[in-house]
Amino acid sequence: DGGITQSPKYLFRKEGQNVTLSCEQNLNHDAMYWYRQDPGQGLRLIYYSQIVNDFQKGDIAEGYSVSREKKESFPLTVTSAQKNPTAFYLCASATETSTDTQYFGPGTRLTVL
Amino acid sequence: GQNIDQPTEMTATEGAIVQINCTYQTSGFNGLFWYQQHAGEAPTFLSYNVLDGLEEKGRFSSFLSRSKGYSYLLLKELQMKDSASYLCAVGGSNYQLIWGAGTKLIIKP
Repeated sequence: DGGITQSPKYLFRKEGQNVTLSCEQNLNHDAMYWYRQDPGQGLRLIYYSQIVNDFQKGDIAEGYSVSREKKESFPLTVTSAQKNPTAFYLCASATETSTDTQYFGPGTRLTVL
Repeated sequence: GQNIDQPTEMTATEGAIVQINCTYQTSGFNGLFWYQQHAGEAPTFLSYNVLDGLEEKGRFSSFLSRSKGYSYLLLKELQMKDSASYLCAVGGSNYQLIWGAGTKLIIKP
């Protein structure tokens, strides 16, 4: 089955710790995205990548980092510099351009204690 | 600036019809998407409009007017499982989608 997986579904971390969220896709999509969703707000773009070994900052990249060493994988690290990291994190992928439908993984709910 | 507006919440009755509106102001336009998101889950794709007019897909239809910066999602024969948030998103000029905050639709028996 083709799709996008994110793990874990729920994640708890202590303040000051870095944490890495996994995102894997087997759809052969070139583009991958990380969003953050907070209650009552639209999805906000953290980082995106159009091709392997290249990625761009989105609207709220501060305190986050990514890598794109393989086409299938786009992990997101939430660093201790992110001031309010508790949120629902969604990974998405698309074939290439902004006209293509983005397909989402199930999301990771991160809670920082 | 770039802006997408949708009503925050709507209520409708099972079996009825509901129209969810979306207005947008964006730099660049590469189509408008509607997604459905159940509570605690990921958004799932519903429709895509890039030309003016109505696109029908079963119980769901989506309309676009580019000159007015306006779209709506029409849901017919509402079912309880349609209770969800509906997200409007516009494809911008730089490989990004600009997202509205979503409309929470509550279906009552």
